[in-house]
Amino acid sequence: DAGITQSPRYKITETGRQVTLMCHQTWSHSYMFWYRQDLGHGLRLIYYSAAADITDKGEVPDGYVVSRSKTENFPLTLESATRSQTSVYFCASRDRVETDSPLHFGNGTRLTVT
Amino acid sequence: KQEVTQIPAALSVPEGENLVLNCSFTDSAIYNLQWFRQDPGKGLTSLLLIQSSQREQTSGRLNASLDKSSGRSTLYIAASQPGDSATYLCAVRNAGKSTFGDGTTLTVKP
Repeated sequence: DAGITQSPRYKITETGRQVTLMCHQTWSHSYMFWYRQDLGHGLRLIYYSAAADITDKGEVPDGYVVSRSKTENFPLTLESATRSQTSVYFCASRDRVETDSPLHFGNGTRLTVT
Repeated sequence: KQEVTQIPAALSVPEGENLVLNCSFTDSAIYNLQWFRQDPGKGLTSLLLIQSSQREQTSGRLNASLDKSSGRSTLYIAASQPGDSATYLCAVRNAGKSTFGDGTTLTVKP
């Protein structure tokens, strides 16, 4: 099916563990984004990527690592999870440059760090 | 740094009312502005996108306007229904990335 798929939908992990959230899109969109959504903070940009092998920091990048070896995949890794990283994580994508290209979102991953 | 504000944070109206949600932004050098709907525990669904050169966009009972020079957008919902109850977010795109407001949570009472 066309669209953005995030996995897993729910994840519980312990403090200090490494965890990777997956994002896959089928449109061949150039841009991909990772946001986190927390009560009181809205959606905040963690990292984004303009193309394969090109990534850039967003507003809250500390504690996260991304890679983009293929256009369709944009995994987000928490190298050593902390309780403050408990959040809902959304992946998004859009086409390149054009001003009328909308953002499309996945269904999110709810991560709990205990 | 772009800052996006949505007022009010919450709104409750009786069914059938017309209503306006507001979105303001500080940096007017935008590419576009996009309105989203989010149901509890769900992802974001795109409602309307207005390019920087446009003044408004319409989809069904929804109408979004953009005044780039004053840094404002409004989302007008006509004849509201209980099914419109959700959180509405605006996102402003500058160059590569988009900045979101915190949203307006709308409740439409039957």
